[in-house]
Amino acid sequence: AQSVAQPEDQVNVAEGNPLTVKCTYSVSGNPYLFWYVQYPNRGLQFLLKYITGDNLVKGSYGFEAEFNKSQTSFHLKKPSALVSDSALYFCAVRDWDTDKLIFGTGTRLQVFP
Amino acid sequence: DAGVTQSPTHLIKTRGQQVTLRCSPKSGHDTVSWYQQALGQGPQFIFQYYEEEERQRGNFPDRFSGHQFPNYSSELNVNALLLGDSALYLCASSLGPSSGETQYFGPGTRLLVL
Repeated sequence: AQSVAQPEDQVNVAEGNPLTVKCTYSVSGNPYLFWYVQYPNRGLQFLLKYITGDNLVKGSYGFEAEFNKSQTSFHLKKPSALVSDSALYFCAVRDWDTDKLIFGTGTRLQVFP
Repeated sequence: DAGVTQSPTHLIKTRGQQVTLRCSPKSGHDTVSWYQQALGQGPQFIFQYYEEEERQRGNFPDRFSGHQFPNYSSELNVNALLLGDSALYLCASSLGPSSGETQYFGPGTRLLVL
């Protein structure tokens, strides 16, 4: 069965510092990975995805993610955090058989001034 | 270009009642998936509709049913509501099933069952 894990419930970072939100995956076959962000009382907003190709994927709002096959990781990164980046972040993997997204439990990012 | 829209935004029901949630996909999309997000958890897949048929289904009871219309919009129906059905219900649209396309989500409908 395919799955993703987000080992940190919360990540705290100072504004202007780099941020990393961690995600590891377990899949049979090639992974198809996503990051979404959720602001309070809102739906999920797509940030970026990895299908194949370059291991460094660039997405919306200055976010990027690094795919590491040997470590089965897909960590979300941003060089300089903003207070407005404070939100709930979800990593997800696409199930090729059913086309459904399988989500992690989410990581709350808090950027303080 | 309108994104995914859902209605209503909030809903309060009592146990045993029935509810219908609605979703209009992003322009150009023909596939709609529904997810349930309980408080403090990640979204869980309910089912997916394409060509007006249910293609895939997650681990949800038959009380959860759906429909897709010729204009690709979709409804989620839940019968005999339980307290545990209280959640944020998210609709996502994409272009074609199993196509690898990104699923774009609507703002959700928050259902409270009393």
